Amino acid sequence: QSALTQPASVSGSPGQSITISCTGTSSDIGGHNYVSWYQHHPGKAPKFIIYDVSYRPSGVSNRFSGSKSGNTASLTISGLQADDEADYYCSSYTSSNTVVFGGGTKLTVL
Amino acid sequence: EMKLLESGGDLVQPGGSLRLSCAASGFTFRTHAMTWVRQPPGKGLVWVSSISADGGDTFYADSVQGRFTISRDNSKNIVFLQMNSLRAEDTGVFRCARAAGYYYYYGMDVWGLGTTVTVS
Repeated sequence: QSALTQPASVSGSPGQSITISCTGTSSDIGGHNYVSWYQHHPGKAPKFIIYDVSYRPSGVSNRFSGSKSGNTASLTISGLQADDEADYYCSSYTSSNTVVFGGGTKLTVL
Repeated sequence: EMKLLESGGDLVQPGGSLRLSCAASGFTFRTHAMTWVRQPPGKGLVWVSSISADGGDTFYADSVQGRFTISRDNSKNIVFLQMNSLRAEDTGVFRCARAAGYYYYYGMDVWGLGTTVTVS
């Protein structure tokens, strides 16, 4: 159950777009469409922002979008805002009936 | 308002045991799978265990299989995590999370703030 691979950090200026990748295997991301993304401001509870690869829960800004190609899922945040600065985690269901998270990506808004 | 409130975290010696609880409110508990997630100090989220909405199916990370037991009481809206044979690497903040639907792999849409377990 190795963690999914995410870049340790990404950065962007207000108004710009950034993309965070999440790479797994054919046993997790590549084999299932149960990929989720979470935003986590330290000290707070994580927030659910994407499910089933590309769907947004009610109330989540349409600036957040998800996609998948092969064994890699991606989260794109457009129109970056200061409050987007947080840690972002992907997760996927696996063929072993488990769930695996990515290592997390720290987003810095310059 | 949907809420999850964890409790039971403590400082425990290696080999010891702890029982974590997560009290849910503000939603129909029995229709959602539940999950425990650990966050080691300074590190990312790690899935620990999930339980189906009716409690009939349980799932564990390899690292805790045979040592941890997840259970739930749908009459009291509580999910538990019994942790035995604790190791230093089990240290972290343990959060419970609600599945976005009946199945645990639907993603986790409500989270608690967590309870801290320190094994030392």
